Amino acid sequence: DAGITQSPRYKITETGRQVTLMCHQTWSHSYMFWYRQDLGHGLRLIYYSAAADITDKGEVPDGYVVSRSKTENFPLTLESATRSQTSVYFCASRTWTGIGNTEAFFGQGTRLTVV
Amino acid sequence: EDQVTQSPEALRLQEGESSSLNCSYTVSGLRGLFWYRQDPGKGPEFLFTLYSAGEEKEKERLKATLTKKESFLHITAPKPEDSATYLCAVQAIQGAQKLVFGQGTRLTINP
Repeated sequence: DAGITQSPRYKITETGRQVTLMCHQTWSHSYMFWYRQDLGHGLRLIYYSAAADITDKGEVPDGYVVSRSKTENFPLTLESATRSQTSVYFCASRTWTGIGNTEAFFGQGTRLTVV
Repeated sequence: EDQVTQSPEALRLQEGESSSLNCSYTVSGLRGLFWYRQDPGKGPEFLFTLYSAGEEKEKERLKATLTKKESFLHITAPKPEDSATYLCAVQAIQGAQKLVFGQGTRLTINP
């Protein structure tokens, strides 16, 4: 199916463990983003990528690592999970048409709980 | 630093009772302002993009407007299915395609 897919939808992990959240898009959009959504903070940008092998930090990057070896995939890794990383994580993608930006398309989210 | 503030945080209306949601922004050169709708347990869903002051866009019962400092999302004769959280986001000219979001307005329409 066309679109943007996140996996898993729900994850419970223990403090100190490494966990990877997956994001896959089928449009070949050049730009991809990871946001976290917390009550009282709205959506905050963690990392983004302009193309394969090009990534950059967003507003709240500490404790997270990203990679983008293929255009369609943008995994987010929590190297050593902490309780403060309990959140809902959203992946998004968009592209530049040459005339204007497309809107950003969001995945359905991953609810991560760190215990 | 680019900032977006939405008000009110929550709004409860009766079915058919029109109102407006506000999005105030500060950005170093606006490339675009975006409105999204988010239902519980789901990702944000795109509604509108506005690019310049004076621009307006409509979709069913929703109308978005833009000035140099704020945007309004007007909802006319709302129905219970319009209940959702509405998010506003801005993209700066120098923003490398990043969107900066406000905290959202949680809208509830009572039948």
